Amino acid sequence: GQNIDQPTEMTATEGAIVQINCTYQTSGFNGLFWYQQHAGEAPTFLSYNVLDGLEEKGRFSSFLSRSKGYSYLLLKELQMKDSASYLCAVRRKASNDYKLSFGAGTTVTVRA
Amino acid sequence: DGGITQSPKYLFRKEGQNVTLSCEQNLNHDAMYWYRQDPGQGLRLIYYSQIVNDFQKGDIAEGYSVSREKKESFPLTVTSAQKNPTAFYLCASRNRNTGELFFGEGSRLTVL
Repeated sequence: GQNIDQPTEMTATEGAIVQINCTYQTSGFNGLFWYQQHAGEAPTFLSYNVLDGLEEKGRFSSFLSRSKGYSYLLLKELQMKDSASYLCAVRRKASNDYKLSFGAGTTVTVRA
Repeated sequence: DGGITQSPKYLFRKEGQNVTLSCEQNLNHDAMYWYRQDPGQGLRLIYYSQIVNDFQKGDIAEGYSVSREKKESFPLTVTSAQKNPTAFYLCASRNRNTGELFFGEGSRLTVL
């Protein structure tokens, strides 16, 4: 199995920056994904990291350190529509299969 | 438009009844997945299929069954043996090249 830990909730002000941390323990690590999920809706893909470093995509950035089992998702210039749950997911290779396991999600509330 | 369609979106079931959730994709993806989502928990893998006519148990397969007779379709049956079936069920398919999961809109099952 694997442990994926992320904070349960975070609150920030519109226009601010929020950083969501994710730590994991797994064997056969093969990449880390971040998904956004609005209440009652399907998760949507935000980012993918397989090598160490920072991936930037507009207002969202994701960082990975494989040696530390650590990733973060950085949300800049927060907007009200960014209020959602953010899911950290770790992919591992087991035999000929790839398995994706999810953290419990971090609910971000953006306040005016 | 390519995508994944789940139906029904909402379903009510009496105890002791089996129910089948539909999942159809036209993304030409080989791999498909069923996840269950409960409040405060991450997505948990029920069953997955890497190719037509083949499927594997995930982490919480007990009380569920699937079939994969066609590439486009991966229905999930929630049987009466599932002790706590009330949940939000998400179907996904995977892009082989990027590893990204594409999710359906979800089916919310409530057992009365």
